[in-house]
Amino acid sequence: GENVEQHPSTLSVQEGDSAVIKCTYSDSASNYFPWYKQELGKRPQLIIDIRSNVGEKKDQRIAVTLNKTAKHFSLHITETQPEDSAVYFCAALGGGSYIPTFGRGTSLIVHP
Amino acid sequence: EAGVVQSPRYKIIEKKQPVAFWCNPISGHNTLYWYLQNLGQGPELLIRYENEEAVDDSQLPKDRFSAERLKGVDSTLKIQPAELGDSAVYLCASSLVEEGEQYFGPGTRLTVL
Repeated sequence: GENVEQHPSTLSVQEGDSAVIKCTYSDSASNYFPWYKQELGKRPQLIIDIRSNVGEKKDQRIAVTLNKTAKHFSLHITETQPEDSAVYFCAALGGGSYIPTFGRGTSLIVHP
Repeated sequence: EAGVVQSPRYKIIEKKQPVAFWCNPISGHNTLYWYLQNLGQGPELLIRYENEEAVDDSQLPKDRFSAERLKGVDSTLKIQPAELGDSAVYLCASSLVEEGEQYFGPGTRLTVL
């Protein structure tokens, strides 16, 4: 089955800095890669996703890049703000399997 | 548009007792997922429904867990009997299509004493 590794487990940055979270996946057939933000005690919410026919996608301060050859994808947050503090999860699915495999999460802390 | 609704939000039970969780997906969403989330980890899929059919249940511990989705709308996840290791957050999610964006409910935090 699919295996998703996510790094780092904790990321601490100063407000205004950029943050990068990286994930690798094992199943080359995976073709859909969503990113979720989960604030403490709340539900995971989709913040951005990318499909395998695209190399990069941006939405304001958030971007995701995908390298299919290397089987890794990354979340980039620019101009971080304290409200970006949360746990971020990457996931991979597709290629005939609709079972999403999640990474273990990255706790992002943005210091004012 | 109402989001995914789950109840109860919190449940505390003693081991060996039964427990049930309820989920109401977003109207029109045919795909429904039940996940288990342990502290500090990502959600792990337990079962996925397409309408009323369970299409992925290989991760569901069938000796004690059961689920149903009558009429392809609401779903219930049951544990009987509960064990200490079942303490976790149980998340329900729904999506319009199989590989579409998943919308999560608030979850049910289960504590087994």
